[in-house]
Amino acid sequence: DAKTTQPTSMDCAEGRAANLPCNHSTISGNEYVYWYRQIHSQGPQYIIHGLKNNETNEMASLIITEDRKSSTLILPHATLRDTAVYYCIVRPLNTPLVFGKGTRLSVIA
Amino acid sequence: KAGVTQTPRYLIKTRGQQVTLSCSPISGHRSVSWYQQTPGQGLQFLFEYFSETQRNKGNFPGRFSGRQFSNSRSEMNVSTLELGDSALYLCASSLEGRYQETQYFGPGTRLLVL
Repeated sequence: DAKTTQPTSMDCAEGRAANLPCNHSTISGNEYVYWYRQIHSQGPQYIIHGLKNNETNEMASLIITEDRKSSTLILPHATLRDTAVYYCIVRPLNTPLVFGKGTRLSVIA
Repeated sequence: KAGVTQTPRYLIKTRGQQVTLSCSPISGHRSVSWYQQTPGQGLQFLFEYFSETQRNKGNFPGRFSGRQFSNSRSEMNVSTLELGDSALYLCASSLEGRYQETQYFGPGTRLLVL
């Protein structure tokens, strides 16, 4: 079973930052937080992952709280093409990805 | 580098038939995982192959099987198809499938069973 809790859906205005929260209160010390997204009927796309430090790449930023019980994915300037289902995954070492239901993000013009 | 490729992209079969799906991983990647996505169950892990050996297996019946070739390409087979096997089948590859390597997904094969 997925070890994360995410809101079912969120809206974001185009050009604004999209902040997607994820709760993972039972995370263990060696488990990473991964974010993937899936645009309608395509394969999931890797976004970012982290252990305890904040991470940033060309797509997004990942903010993990100090106690590691929650995190936030930030898309700094959302576009219509960012409309997708976003999955937050807590992954133990050497295990498959376990997907939950994710958050359906709608970017609105 | 080219991404993960899957063939065919779309497939229609009838109940009782069998089907074989193919996945070519990213060049240099040796671990291939398969997932099934349905509206009811979401994305579920089927199995993982590394060096031509199945290393992990999800909770699916024996009708679902797979194999990996020496060039890391992988196939999955579903025998005696049921209506409930209609799904998007996704393949993902990573370097060795160990530690926290990122998995990269292909576009999927959409299977419709009539």
